[in-house]
Amino acid sequence: RKEVEQDPGPFNVPEGATVAFNCTYSNSASQSFFWYRQDCRKEPKLLMSVYSSGNEDGRFTAQLNRASQYISLLIRDSKLSDSATYLCVADYNTDKLIFGTGTRLQVFP
Amino acid sequence: NAGVTQTPKFQVLKTGQSMTLQCAQDMNHNSMYWYRQDPGMGLRLIYYSASEGTTDKGEVPNGYNVSRLNKREFSLRLESAAPSQTSVYFCASRAGDSGNTIYFGEGSWLTVV
Repeated sequence: RKEVEQDPGPFNVPEGATVAFNCTYSNSASQSFFWYRQDCRKEPKLLMSVYSSGNEDGRFTAQLNRASQYISLLIRDSKLSDSATYLCVADYNTDKLIFGTGTRLQVFP
Repeated sequence: NAGVTQTPKFQVLKTGQSMTLQCAQDMNHNSMYWYRQDPGMGLRLIYYSASEGTTDKGEVPNGYNVSRLNKREFSLRLESAAPSQTSVYFCASRAGDSGNTIYFGEGSWLTVV
């Protein structure tokens, strides 16, 4: 079993839709979590950190559920520019980061 | 505003050839990383360096060597390239403390024929 698992998608949604991704992690020792965004043939870039209390940044909301060992990303009012691959990342406080394989989102007009 | 710079961006190698991927960061970060990314496999850690003078193996170190030349630079060497090493390679760095953001270079596309 992979340490960080994501549904690869693709998720095909119309503009304006709300879409949610989940990511599960197997190691309860994980300390910190992140969502990264990766555009085609580009490097991953930080989208947002994920806190136990949940956090929101504009149209994006991230949640952490330690009891069930998953994190989620909610995107409201999807834009065409949101089309990308979203990577879930677990940080085990050992200077290693474990990346999920990514969930691909395609927003269509 | 360079951040993490890696070279070359594209390279084609013949099986058995050697090459070095160069990486430098100007953010005064302690930790540096080399990842490879393959379709359906996600980012896999090859080697990392928690500080100048130290290096450690990641998930897929076989066939690679690294050098942390100084705080800024972390190179990845393929001594005898194999077709299985065809991939996109990303160098990355971060301040070193858990929870800090990791920053990536733009990637190096390597094809071994």
